[in-house]
Amino acid sequence: QKEVEQDPGPLSVPEGAIVSLNCTYSNSAFQYFMWYRQYSRKGPELLMYTYSSGNKEDGRFTAQVDKSSKYISLFIRDSQPSDSATYLCAMREYGNKLVFGAGTILRVKS
Amino acid sequence: KAGVTQTPRYLIKTRGQQVTLSCSPISGHRSVSWYQQTPGQGLQFLFEYFSETQRNKGNFPGRFSGRQFSNSRSEMNVSTLELGDSALYLCASSLGGGEETQYFGPGTRLLVL
Repeated sequence: QKEVEQDPGPLSVPEGAIVSLNCTYSNSAFQYFMWYRQYSRKGPELLMYTYSSGNKEDGRFTAQVDKSSKYISLFIRDSQPSDSATYLCAMREYGNKLVFGAGTILRVKS
Repeated sequence: KAGVTQTPRYLIKTRGQQVTLSCSPISGHRSVSWYQQTPGQGLQFLFEYFSETQRNKGNFPGRFSGRQFSNSRSEMNVSTLELGDSALYLCASSLGGGEETQYFGPGTRLLVL
């Protein structure tokens, strides 16, 4: 079993929809949680960074962490075609070794 | 402020050869981490360097090695290349305190024939 599970999709939604992306993890020592966005042939770009249970909002993006359930989510409101990309959850204990999910391919249709 | 840069961007090698990839971190960043990304295994941590010392290591064979220079630039070397080493190699930099954000470069795409 992988430490971090993420549905690879693809997830296809119409423009303007609310998108929900999720990851589960098994290592209770993970303390920091991130969401990265990766466009084709580019490096991952950090979207959200959290370290406590609860919600964190940044523009159209909301990250949610539930440490008791070992479950994290990313919500995208008013999705746009430019949001079409691969979304990677990542997490770590202390230090800089990130453990990534497989990534979810998102397609927003105009 | 310039981002993380990686050179070369693309590389084609044959089995048995060796390759060296380079990463220049964001100015002021002292930690450099390397990751391998493949369709089958996703993004996997290779190792991290801080102040010219390897601080953390993933589960890769000894053919994968790295080093960091006094200006924080880092190189990664893969010896005796195998077909399975074909991947996107990503470098990420951070300040180095251990709790901060990592910023990724565009990656080097390596194809082993």
